[in-house]
Amino acid sequence: GAGVSQSPSNKVTEKGKDVELRCDPISGHTALYWYRQRLGQGLEFLIYFQGNSAPDKSGLPSDRFSAERTGESVSTLTIQRTQQEDSAVYLCASSPGQGFSYEQYFGPGTRLTVT
Amino acid sequence: GDSVTQMEGPVTLSEEAFLTINCTYTATGYPSLFWYVQYPGEGLQLLLKATKADDKGSNKGFEATYRKETTSFHLEKGSVQVSDSAVYFCALKTGTASKLTFGTGTRLQVTL
Repeated sequence: GAGVSQSPSNKVTEKGKDVELRCDPISGHTALYWYRQRLGQGLEFLIYFQGNSAPDKSGLPSDRFSAERTGESVSTLTIQRTQQEDSAVYLCASSPGQGFSYEQYFGPGTRLTVT
Repeated sequence: GDSVTQMEGPVTLSEEAFLTINCTYTATGYPSLFWYVQYPGEGLQLLLKATKADDKGSNKGFEATYRKETTSFHLEKGSVQVSDSAVYFCALKTGTASKLTFGTGTRLQVTL
């Protein structure tokens, strides 16, 4: 079946502009995660959705970052007034649930470059 | 907070060589441990996992044993192949959190 998809695959934007990144999880997966990977660093957790709600937003780095999820489906990560330090690969993952036994399935990522 | 430390790469090996990628962790709870792999041009995928002390995760010839006493989860393979060239990430998850905490990744390059 179809895996997690993300769009766009690459995004170049000017500093100060807003960007929207999209994630389509695997159908039926109730949990959805956003991570980012800056050059030379590990993946950093940003936010977690269970259904439509976001019980854990602890990784969002500033109030310029926000995310929403429609139904138990598409999620959008929005970055307002982008800064150069926002340049990273943004990864989305989905899971059938949140417990130990549930694997997170990752999308291919969106590479964001802020110039 | 939780953290994962893994050896810096790149690691360059000849085909059929023995591989070890070290991973140690710090966790406030009792974590589950994971190795993820990212092949060139592909998304991150789960390679193996272990959920309690002394468990051994294995897949595709790779193994890792959950060592609580040394807080380690080192990845090993007896004989690497060119097709194993990828970036390998060690990660943990604790019962109080849904998120994965990742190490910085180790790039493996296997040559003929």
